[in-house]
Amino acid sequence: RKEVEQDPGPFNVPEGATVAFNCTYSNSASQSFFWYRQDCRKEPKLLMSVYSSGNEDGRFTAQLNRASQYISLLIRDSKLSDSATYLCVVTLNTGGFKTIFGAGTRLFVKA
Amino acid sequence: DGGITQSPKYLFRKEGQNVTLSCEQNLNHDAMYWYRQDPGQGLRLIYYSQIVNDFQKGDIAEGYSVSREKKESFPLTVTSAQKNPTAFYLCASRRSGLAGGEDTQYFGPGTRLTVL
Repeated sequence: RKEVEQDPGPFNVPEGATVAFNCTYSNSASQSFFWYRQDCRKEPKLLMSVYSSGNEDGRFTAQLNRASQYISLLIRDSKLSDSATYLCVVTLNTGGFKTIFGAGTRLFVKA
Repeated sequence: DGGITQSPKYLFRKEGQNVTLSCEQNLNHDAMYWYRQDPGQGLRLIYYSQIVNDFQKGDIAEGYSVSREKKESFPLTVTSAQKNPTAFYLCASRRSGLAGGEDTQYFGPGTRLTVL
């Protein structure tokens, strides 16, 4: 089983749609959680951190469920510019600090 | 401006040649990382360094070498022993090294290496 698993997609949605991405992680000792965005042929960029209480940044909402080892990202009112790959990232510190990247979920927003 | 720079952006190499990719950061970050990304694939960790003069192998270190003589610099050499070197190489840094912490990694713009 992969340490961090994401649905690879692609997700094809019309502008204005709401889309949700899911991510599961295997190690219950995982410490911190993030969502990154990667545009085609560019570097990944931090989108937002994910907290147990849930957090929101404009149209983006991230949730963490530690009991189920599950992370989600919700994008409301999708824009064409949201088209990208979204990476789920988990860190853990068990005998050494480690950052684990999911393979990413591809999103295409259509006009 | 603070940030991470990588050079060159594009690099072409003949088979059998070693090549060195540059990564510099002026963020005063302790930890630095090298990843490889192949088309449609996730990131794979090559090497990382949590403190100056120390580095560790990642998941796919064979055919690569690194050095960390200065805090701000972490060059990666792709040697002729690397069987499939054509890929997108990403360097990242993180504020906390050995201390762990909850901060995350920030990436440079990447170097696209093509072996001819």
